[in-house]
Amino acid sequence: AQKVTQAQTEISVVEKEDVTLDCVYETRDTTYYLFWYKQPPSGELVFLIRRNSFDEQNEISGRYSWNFQKSTSSFNFTITASQVVDSAVYFCALITPISRLGKLTFGTGTRLTIIP
Amino acid sequence: DGGITQSPKYLFRKEGQNVTLSCEQNLNHDAMYWYRQDPGQGLRLIYYSQIVNDFQKGDIAEGYSVSREKKESFPLTVTSAQKNPTAFYLCASSETGETEAFFGQGTRLTVV
Repeated sequence: AQKVTQAQTEISVVEKEDVTLDCVYETRDTTYYLFWYKQPPSGELVFLIRRNSFDEQNEISGRYSWNFQKSTSSFNFTITASQVVDSAVYFCALITPISRLGKLTFGTGTRLTIIP
Repeated sequence: DGGITQSPKYLFRKEGQNVTLSCEQNLNHDAMYWYRQDPGQGLRLIYYSQIVNDFQKGDIAEGYSVSREKKESFPLTVTSAQKNPTAFYLCASSETGETEAFFGQGTRLTVV
């Protein structure tokens, strides 16, 4: 079985602060893919990043960065210098070859509020 | 522009009625999926399809039905057998089952 845990239900930070969203996953497979999605108030999920289990290199994209650590089964997401537009619900998700037919397993999401 | 279109955005259903949610994509993706989202919960998979004329049940398929007659279209019918249909429904597509999925804007279904 596979599972994704986002322990932080809600986070509020003041604009320009840095914030880290935690994601812990469970899977018995050695090959898997991890994702982060953003869900703004409009409801549509926006794809942010895809990572495979063999690539532990951290990634940075503008103010966004991701820290993938297999040793702790974590795939954390950091927003630097947060902005009001970052307010949304963020989901971490996992897929493995056994469930490769699109059966993404999602965490319960973290609602991020950026206070102006 | 390529993307996924869901309609309608809001849908109201009387108890005992079947309703169909539309999902169309022009991304030429083979795989399509339907997810249900309830408040405070993640997304749960209802049905998914890898190719035309083929689809598989997800984790919560009871009370739902789908068809995949065309590559571009994957409509979801919420039947009267679904006892708690009020939710936000999201359709998605991906090139393969291992690549990122792209989502539509969702349909919010309410039973009145």
